[in-house]
Amino acid sequence: GAGVSQSPSNKVTEKGKDVELRCDPISGHTALYWYRQSLGQGLEFLIYFQGNSAPDKSGLPSDRFSAERTGGSVSTLTIQRTQQEDSAVYLCASSLALLLAGGQYNEQFFGPGTRLTVL
Amino acid sequence: AQTVTQSQPEMSVQEAETVTLSCTYDTSENNYYLFWYKQPPSRQMILVIRQEAYKQQNATENRFSVNFQKAAKSFSLKISDSQLGDTAMYFCAFYTNAGKSTFGDGTTLTVKP
Repeated sequence: GAGVSQSPSNKVTEKGKDVELRCDPISGHTALYWYRQSLGQGLEFLIYFQGNSAPDKSGLPSDRFSAERTGGSVSTLTIQRTQQEDSAVYLCASSLALLLAGGQYNEQFFGPGTRLTVL
Repeated sequence: AQTVTQSQPEMSVQEAETVTLSCTYDTSENNYYLFWYKQPPSRQMILVIRQEAYKQQNATENRFSVNFQKAAKSFSLKISDSQLGDTAMYFCAFYTNAGKSTFGDGTTLTVKP
């Protein structure tokens, strides 16, 4: 595909259930990012992958949140035992790499997001 | 930890006029990167302009330019010749070279005909 895709586009779940959100980055992009955007707010950084590894997981809000990336491509963000405060839009972005050889930050391309509603 | 502050929740401008959106940040890092993103109602985040902190020259991209004041930790966005399609929410963002980022709460810009 031409851009970053995310599925599902919308997810409604009941409090206490687990959910999995999927991100398909642009082919060839080695860096992948997850963000959370609550209504009317800016983006909250969650986690960053370079290849399959995440150097820093401290942005994840709680131990109910986990993310993995396999084959340097698809990533899943899993939220266990969902709470109402988890309701938000979850955005994924990818880039060729974190930094270009000259030290310039690579442009991130964002997906359309998954809107999660926890009832 | 970094903080990013956008002090103008909402702004409006007449079509063809110029508007400046403000952004200030706080950090102890020396190497970092600053971005402005646009998010229209479609929710798609679009990069507007970026600035490396080690560069003294202000970045420009067509009608968009920044005023980067490193000592003052200020990074404002100027939009010249505003167009109706510029109506969107604008976010200022701070990135470290370790991949972490901090976003401001955004400024909703309305361009009036």
